[in-house]
Amino acid sequence: EAGVVQSPRYKIIEKKQPVAFWCNPISGHNTLYWYLQNLGQGPELLIRYENEEAVDDSQLPKDRFSAERLKGVDSTLKIQPAELGDSAVYLCASSVGYNEQFFGPGTRLTVL
Amino acid sequence: RKEVEQDPGPFNVPEGATVAFNCTYSNSASQSFFWYRQDCRKEPKLLMSVYSSGNEDGRFTAQLNRASQYISLLIRDSKLSDSATYLCAGNFGNEKLTFGTGTRLTIIP
Repeated sequence: EAGVVQSPRYKIIEKKQPVAFWCNPISGHNTLYWYLQNLGQGPELLIRYENEEAVDDSQLPKDRFSAERLKGVDSTLKIQPAELGDSAVYLCASSVGYNEQFFGPGTRLTVL
Repeated sequence: RKEVEQDPGPFNVPEGATVAFNCTYSNSASQSFFWYRQDCRKEPKLLMSVYSSGNEDGRFTAQLNRASQYISLLIRDSKLSDSATYLCAGNFGNEKLTFGTGTRLTIIP
């Protein structure tokens, strides 16, 4: 069974530029999560989707971050404009309902 | 106080030894807990779910103590390949996982 797919794996941009990350969850997983992980910290939830509905986006900085999951399958997370402090690993995870979550390999973002 | 707290370590343990980590939580409205393993520059991978009755998977044993609000992970006969960061996570009724900072373990030959 294919795991969670994310792209790109690495991204280097200059501050104030936009950036987008893509995630394709495990087939059949209706719940999708975007996490941010800083070095030496655990993942922190940014947004959670049930199918195409964002059911928890309370931790998403909405002034610069946006996300969508239009058909309830793959998802895109965007940052515009990026700031230096956004440098981190962006992890996507999926699950069936609220059972065990499975993570993708992440996108390592560096903002210069 | 953070909802989930772990000793970040590092724990440096000789091969073959037994090592245990605790993870404390502050929210008593906990529903489920998990241990994840994360290798350097890799994603977290689910190691074990943690049940009230405790559970064992080979050399790994996880336990939950609701009265004292902590979960534990015990690794017996540690192997070099057990070197990783171990993250605990809890679901506190809001259907999202809250992670600790992780405990870094290094097994020494």
